[in-house]
Amino acid sequence: AQSVTQPDIHITVSEGASLELRCNYSYGATPYLFWYVQSPGQGLQLLLKYFSGDTLVQGIKGFEAEFKRSQSSFNLRKPSVHWSDAAEYFCAVGGVYNFNKFYFGSGTKLNVKP
Amino acid sequence: GAGVSQSPSNKVTEKGKDVELRCDPISGHTALYWYRQSLGQGLEFLIYFQGNSAPDKSGLPSDRFSAERTGGSVSTLTIQRTQQEDSAVYLCASSALRGGSYEQYFGPGTRLTVT
Repeated sequence: AQSVTQPDIHITVSEGASLELRCNYSYGATPYLFWYVQSPGQGLQLLLKYFSGDTLVQGIKGFEAEFKRSQSSFNLRKPSVHWSDAAEYFCAVGGVYNFNKFYFGSGTKLNVKP
Repeated sequence: GAGVSQSPSNKVTEKGKDVELRCDPISGHTALYWYRQSLGQGLEFLIYFQGNSAPDKSGLPSDRFSAERTGGSVSTLTIQRTQQEDSAVYLCASSALRGGSYEQYFGPGTRLTVT
């Protein structure tokens, strides 16, 4: 069955510290992977996506993610967190050439301490 | 250009009433998705439209839920005889499918509260 797991419901980091948000997926075909961010009261904004090629992808706002096929993971990282990064982050998987259904994780809420 | 818009932004309704939620996708986007986000939950897929093809309704939770997309653009999600468990944020997204590369652009959502 297709699914996405974000094992951390809440994470708190200090401003300036590094961040890694975990995402594991189960998908029966070549995956197309995404990270989205949702600020309070807002819709989801795409941070980055992995389709093919280099397994380390760069996104907006200084985020990056690494696709590891052997671990079925697509973890999101940022070397130095800013207070404005406090939000909820969602990992999602879709199918390459199978556009009709995306699977989202339950999200990780990030708090940033001053 | 304009993004995905949804209306209303908030809707409070009494149990048993019908509601309609509207989504205006980005112009030219052929794919449109509806999701439901319950408190503390991830996004639950509801329905997908692509061009003139028959929609994928496999995520609709019951026959009280229906959606249509007129003229390949605006979409309306209708919930009949609302129940308290329908309370959630309903998100719409659209996508331009180009080859094998695509991404979804989300609207701000409609927060539905059933009292």
